[in-house]
Amino acid sequence: QQQVKQSPQSLIVQKGGISIINCAYENTAFDYFPWYQQFPGKGPALLIAIRPDVSEKKEGRFTISFNKSAKQFSLHIMDSQPGDSATYFCAASRGPAGNKLTFGGGTRVLVKP
Amino acid sequence: GAVVSQHPSWVICKSGTSVKIECRSLDFQATTMFWYRQFPKQSLMLMATSNEGSKATYEQGVEKDKFLINHASLTLSTLTVTSAHPEDSSFYICSATPDGAQPQHFGDGTRLSIL
Repeated sequence: QQQVKQSPQSLIVQKGGISIINCAYENTAFDYFPWYQQFPGKGPALLIAIRPDVSEKKEGRFTISFNKSAKQFSLHIMDSQPGDSATYFCAASRGPAGNKLTFGGGTRVLVKP
Repeated sequence: GAVVSQHPSWVICKSGTSVKIECRSLDFQATTMFWYRQFPKQSLMLMATSNEGSKATYEQGVEKDKFLINHASLTLSTLTVTSAHPEDSSFYICSATPDGAQPQHFGDGTRLSIL
């Protein structure tokens, strides 16, 4: 059972454009929602994370929007750059479960110059 | 801060051999470490959770006798793939948390190729 569904699987955006990736979760006990960026041959690196007590969080060009009632959250990458070309994973966890992360399927983003 | 190092980064070995992968937290003490497996163009799948000084907790479907995990110190966890076969070829990634809380900090992974 896939508890975190991520879309789209791939995304092509022009330099300077906005990349938008969406995730939906099923388990209402999740209380931590991070986004990770992964380059080929490397481990994931934390980009930004949010908890359900806020609806939006912004760090630089990256913004998470969170909709608790819809059980959805999204990542917006503003002013996308070729260096942003990577695979992005959303994830979710709940504290009592030992903080295990459940990952979405990933989105491969290609930013064209 | 919060650097996690994995070694080796790439290993090739013959079928039937055992391979040990190390995961170290360089600048913090990791009470909890996680081991993931990632196939090409797929997501990360949690294999097991290890807590320092206790037995690892394996996810459903992961063979504990094949994937031996040891977390003997607060800065080191090891994953040993025993009697490895070609189907064990994958990208293995560890992560660590300072006190069991988020965020998890990931290593750069180990590419395991079994011939």
